[in-house]
Amino acid sequence: EAGVTQFPSHSVIEKGQTVTLRCDPISGHDNLYWYRRVMGKEIKFLLHFVKESKQDESGMPNNRFLAERTGGTYSTLKVQPAELEDSGVYFCASSHRQSSGNTIYFGEGSWLTVV
Amino acid sequence: AQKITQTQPGMFVQEKEAVTLDCTYDTSDQSYGLFWYKQPSSGEMIFLIYQGSYDEQNATEGRYSLNFQKARKSANLVISASQLGDSAMYFCAMREGYSGGSNYKLTFGKGTLLTVNP
Repeated sequence: EAGVTQFPSHSVIEKGQTVTLRCDPISGHDNLYWYRRVMGKEIKFLLHFVKESKQDESGMPNNRFLAERTGGTYSTLKVQPAELEDSGVYFCASSHRQSSGNTIYFGEGSWLTVV
Repeated sequence: AQKITQTQPGMFVQEKEAVTLDCTYDTSDQSYGLFWYKQPSSGEMIFLIYQGSYDEQNATEGRYSLNFQKARKSANLVISASQLGDSAMYFCAMREGYSGGSNYKLTFGKGTLLTVNP
């Protein structure tokens, strides 16, 4: 079974440009999450989808960040325009709605550098 | 608000020895879950072990065990018989709510960098 996959794995963009990160959750997982770790800080929650609906987006830093999950499958996270402080690792995670043990599986992360 | 504290920025252990990574948490909720994840240099976040707040037995998964002391609000990870491949960053995290609930938000600690020496 394929795990959570993220693309791109690494991205270097200039300040003011746009970047779109993609996440493919584990097949059949209704729950999809985005988290972020900026340098030296804890991993922070950004938002949570249940299927195609945003369940909780309280962690989104500002309106430069837009997340979508069309059809309840893969998700994209767009940063437009990117700022220097957006640099960090963006993790996607997924879980089954009624998974025993409540395991939440993470992808390898998308490393974003804004210069 | 939830808070996870990992007081050990870095830990060293000799191969084949056991090591304990500390984690304390703070929550006012009665129902919550505690996770440990491993992040090797490749970057992937690997799920290791889970403990529910109502679980009476400490969770175990192979060489990993979770020393859950609810009254002290601690959830330390014990790795037995350390291997070189265990060298990685380890994160403790807490999830609030019931398993069937709608809020699956995780709060993470800052992590502990474990180095296993040959």
